[in-house]
Amino acid sequence: DAGITQSPRHKVTETGTPVTLRCHQTENHRYMYWYRQDPGHGLRLIHYSYGVKDTDKGEVSDGYSVSRSKTEDFLLTLESATSSQTSVYFCAIMDRGSYYGYTFGSGTRLTVV
Amino acid sequence: DAKTTQPTSMDCAEGRAANLPCNHSTISGNEYVYWYRQIHSQGPQYIIHGLKNNETNEMASLIITEDRKSSTLILPHATLRDTAVYYCIVRVEGGSEKLVFGKGTKLTVNP
Repeated sequence: DAGITQSPRHKVTETGTPVTLRCHQTENHRYMYWYRQDPGHGLRLIHYSYGVKDTDKGEVSDGYSVSRSKTEDFLLTLESATSSQTSVYFCAIMDRGSYYGYTFGSGTRLTVV
Repeated sequence: DAKTTQPTSMDCAEGRAANLPCNHSTISGNEYVYWYRQIHSQGPQYIIHGLKNNETNEMASLIITEDRKSSTLILPHATLRDTAVYYCIVRVEGGSEKLVFGKGTKLTVNP
């Protein structure tokens, strides 16, 4: 989607290394979310943010941290990557006044070897 | 946990209508029914939403039962490009709550 970009699109990393994924929006929306998607589990919320420096945990937050120092960027960090964190990660933004809810990014495919 | 239940998979012939059901028996009075779809490897995409009246847009129609405990998404003339996972979600319009996805329905449109 034109208003939200994720980087990198693909990454392979080694177990135990730190990894940061970036979500960037041009829409100036307050709410941003990180989901992971795995076969058999669907989309699961990791962390979300409701404003600069305001973040909260989702249902699968262990092993992840986030930061939001400015409106347009929401960073997801794996402090010490594990093979169980191999997944596709999606960022989403939400305009609270919008009828359509969320807009999702194109995803980051992360492989931890 | 997701507040909706959907069949795991469905098939539809190209050119025919695809009718995807969703049960949301615990829906609250101020919760809307939203439908998203996810085409292979892409992020989910908004399709349509409604409160209690039937809705139609350029992509689909949404039929909500009078008691609001279930709904049906209708793709009137399914194409091969409609093959995707379809998610039915309930949420408060304009709400800030976390969007909870179930596992959705995998729709396969066959030639």
